[in-house]
Amino acid sequence: GAGVSQSPSNKVTEKGKDVELRCDPISGHTALYWYRQSLGQGLEFLIYFQGNSAPDKSGLPSDRFSAERTGGSVSTLTIQRTQQEDSAVYLCASSKTSGRAVDTQYFGPGTRLTVL
Amino acid sequence: SQQGEEDPQALSIQEGENATMNCSYKTSINNLQWYRQNSGRGLVHLILIRSNEREKHSGRLRVTLDTSKKSSSLLITASRAADTASYFCATVGTGANNLFFGTGTRLTVIP
Repeated sequence: GAGVSQSPSNKVTEKGKDVELRCDPISGHTALYWYRQSLGQGLEFLIYFQGNSAPDKSGLPSDRFSAERTGGSVSTLTIQRTQQEDSAVYLCASSKTSGRAVDTQYFGPGTRLTVL
Repeated sequence: SQQGEEDPQALSIQEGENATMNCSYKTSINNLQWYRQNSGRGLVHLILIRSNEREKHSGRLRVTLDTSKKSSSLLITASRAADTASYFCATVGTGANNLFFGTGTRLTVIP
């Protein structure tokens, strides 16, 4: 594809509900990242997938957050029992990285999540 | 924390002037990258500089890296109104799998 795509672009949900955010990386990119950006803040790393290796989940803020990547391509970030502090823009990025050094990341447009 | 810090937090200049943004970080790095973000959405990669490089150019952008001071600077020459955006530095720690982003500099270029 032309770039990283994410859906939905905006999601409004009620506190306590579960949400799923989707990311379609650039075809052929082996690495996929999820970040969270709260209003006016920098990006907070959440999780990293590299090929078929076990994901690096070190950035997930709580066990309500989980992510999976099916077939080495599409990824879904799930937030269970959403809280108001989960409101943020969730950004996905992919890169060609096949080694340890992180190369250029290509970002999607993000999903703006609002928890009422 | 490996997170970088940008300085200044906000910068306002006249069109045609140069803009300089600085980034400091805390640990050894493999590379440092600069990204631009418009309107709080997707980021666009601008330039990557590796730890063994000291300066890199791309169009109107010039990036320097001083690993002894753990700092980098991004210079945008002959700024344009369209350069108005937030600029983030991001570091890749030695052996790390991901980028650690700074808090960003909000640049406003006044026409």
